[in-house]
Amino acid sequence: EAQVTQNPRYLITVTGKKLTVTCSQNMNHEYMSWYRQDPGLGLRQIYYSMNVEVTDKGDVPEGYKVSRKEKRNFPLILESPSPNQTSLYFCASSLNANLAGGSTDTQYFGPGTRLTVL
Amino acid sequence: DQQVKQNSPSLSVQEGRISILNCDYTNSMFDYFLWYKKYPAEGPTFLISISSIKDKNEDGRFTVFLNKSAKHLSLHIVPSQPGDSAVYFCAASRYNNAGNMLTFGGGTRLMVKP
Repeated sequence: EAQVTQNPRYLITVTGKKLTVTCSQNMNHEYMSWYRQDPGLGLRQIYYSMNVEVTDKGDVPEGYKVSRKEKRNFPLILESPSPNQTSLYFCASSLNANLAGGSTDTQYFGPGTRLTVL
Repeated sequence: DQQVKQNSPSLSVQEGRISILNCDYTNSMFDYFLWYKKYPAEGPTFLISISSIKDKNEDGRFTVFLNKSAKHLSLHIVPSQPGDSAVYFCAASRYNNAGNMLTFGGGTRLMVKP
């Protein structure tokens, strides 16, 4: 089954304790990205990756790191989490960066990771 | 400053009637507009999109209308079904040197009552 998986699905942690949220896709997609969803603000892009070893900042990259060492995996790293990073996080992948919708340009989202930083 | 806005956080509609979800944007450089649907505890799923050079796109019960002069788009669902109850996100796509980036609105929660 074609899918994007994220782990963990739920996480409660404390300020300053490094954490990693994993993301994996099995569709051989080149483009992957991370979003955070906050009430009233919709989804905002944190980082994206065009392909292996190619990553770039989205709209809200502060406090986050990513890596893309393999095509299928795109982990999100919070080196020193703070309470303002409490949010719902989504990983997404698509065949390429032409995010125009339609059968080949669609982004597929993971189920989300709800992170609480105390 | 939000470039894509959904001013109605929620909408309640009777089953069988029309649901109209609205979205406004400010950046005239957007070249595609998309609607995503999100159920609780799941990620968003793509629903329908429209190119900025068109004014209407239809897919079954779902139709998206684009009014470029007003920088406004809407999603019509006819007839509405209880299974359509979800949060709907409007998104706009613009091309930069890294490909297309999506900017999302804040979402509208649709409740379809049986």
